[in-house]
Amino acid sequence: NAGVTQTPKFRILKIGQSMTLQCTQDMNHNYMYWYRQDPGMGLKLIYYSVGAGITDKGEVPNGYNVSRSTTEDFPLRLELAAPSQTSVYFCASTPGGGHYGYTFGSGTRLTVV
Amino acid sequence: AQSVTQLDSHVSVSEGTPVLLRCNYSSSYSPSLFWYVQHPNKGLQLLLKYTSAATLVKGINGFEAEFKKSETSFHLTKPSAHMSDAAEYFCVVSAPGGATNKLIFGTGTLLAVQP
Repeated sequence: NAGVTQTPKFRILKIGQSMTLQCTQDMNHNYMYWYRQDPGMGLKLIYYSVGAGITDKGEVPNGYNVSRSTTEDFPLRLELAAPSQTSVYFCASTPGGGHYGYTFGSGTRLTVV
Repeated sequence: AQSVTQLDSHVSVSEGTPVLLRCNYSSSYSPSLFWYVQHPNKGLQLLLKYTSAATLVKGINGFEAEFKKSETSFHLTKPSAHMSDAAEYFCVVSAPGGATNKLIFGTGTLLAVQP
């Protein structure tokens, strides 16, 4: 099994550009999450989804959008990139139940210049 | 509300000496607790988890953690550090029974291992 796959691994964007970070999981997990990781700050939740067609905001949703049309895919959209969005982004999934923990993707390192 | 506090942002040990990474939690419910490890420029890997079974939890690579409800702590230990243990470690809490299964992350402890 591939687990959670994120693409791209690295990207440099100019201010005002847009892009989509892709996340796919092949474990049939209902719950999927997007986090951003900044130095010394741990991981902050951007958006999450509890199943296909259902999404909700996390702690830091401003400047981002998501969709969940299938169980497998949970893309994260940046519409107008800003330097404050320079970060490492992680996608994660879990089958459900807080005791499972998450399976994480390998991350996307985004720089906005 | 749930939260975790990692008491040390940086820990440095010598190879072959014990490791102790400290974590305190706050939870209104009986929590599930996790330790994740992140090696440089890598994703996060689950080290171990506590889910209300045995209070002493054994994980991968010789790590273990003890759940102490009276102290609201879940410290991570290893008897003998190896150079490959150098990484960042995150203590994480989840409240069971919630509809969203969100995990709350600590701010991380960077472990350095000196030769």
